[in-house]
Amino acid sequence: AQSVTQLGSHVSVSEGALVLLRCNYSSSVPPYLFWYVQYPNQGLQLLLKYTSAATLVKGINGFEAEFKKSETSFHLTKPSAHMSDAAEYFCAVSDRWYSSASKIIFGSGTRLSIRP
Amino acid sequence: DAGVTQSPTHLIKTRGQQVTLRCSPKSGHDTVSWYQQALGQGPQFIFQYYEEEERQRGNFPDRFSGHQFPNYSSELNVNALLLGDSALYLCASSLVSGGVQETQYFGPGTRLLVL
Repeated sequence: AQSVTQLGSHVSVSEGALVLLRCNYSSSVPPYLFWYVQYPNQGLQLLLKYTSAATLVKGINGFEAEFKKSETSFHLTKPSAHMSDAAEYFCAVSDRWYSSASKIIFGSGTRLSIRP
Repeated sequence: DAGVTQSPTHLIKTRGQQVTLRCSPKSGHDTVSWYQQALGQGPQFIFQYYEEEERQRGNFPDRFSGHQFPNYSSELNVNALLLGDSALYLCASSLVSGGVQETQYFGPGTRLLVL
């Protein structure tokens, strides 16, 4: 079975500071990994995805994530936080991306707050 | 290009009632998945429809059922509502290409409150 664990339910950083949101995964097969963002009262927006190509994945809004197999991690980073980055972030893994039927398994989420 | 749309946006029901939620997939997509997101939690997979059949199902009781229409739109039905069914219900659509499912795109969700 596949799962993801997000370390820290709430992260607070100052505007302009580095953002680091931690995610560790468990998977019995090569995983497809995702980061989604959810703004208040909205659905989920895909930030980036890892699909076994480059281990450093660049996404939208200046975010990037690095797949580290040895550490089973897929941490999300952004060099300089902006007030508009305040949201809930979800790390996720897909169970059977190589088939015509797959589901996404989400972590519990990390709420990112930005201090002025 | 319209993204995934869901209706209604909000809904209030009482315990024991039945509810139907609707989803129209992104243009060109043929697969619809449904997720339940309780307050303060990550989304949980309910089920997925492809070619008008349920392909996968999560750990949800039979009170949760669905349907996919020939135009790929989908409905989620929940019978005998419980207070614990209060949540944001998210629909995601994707395309199966070459036998592989591509990225899932999410709609804005339907917020259901059961009183």
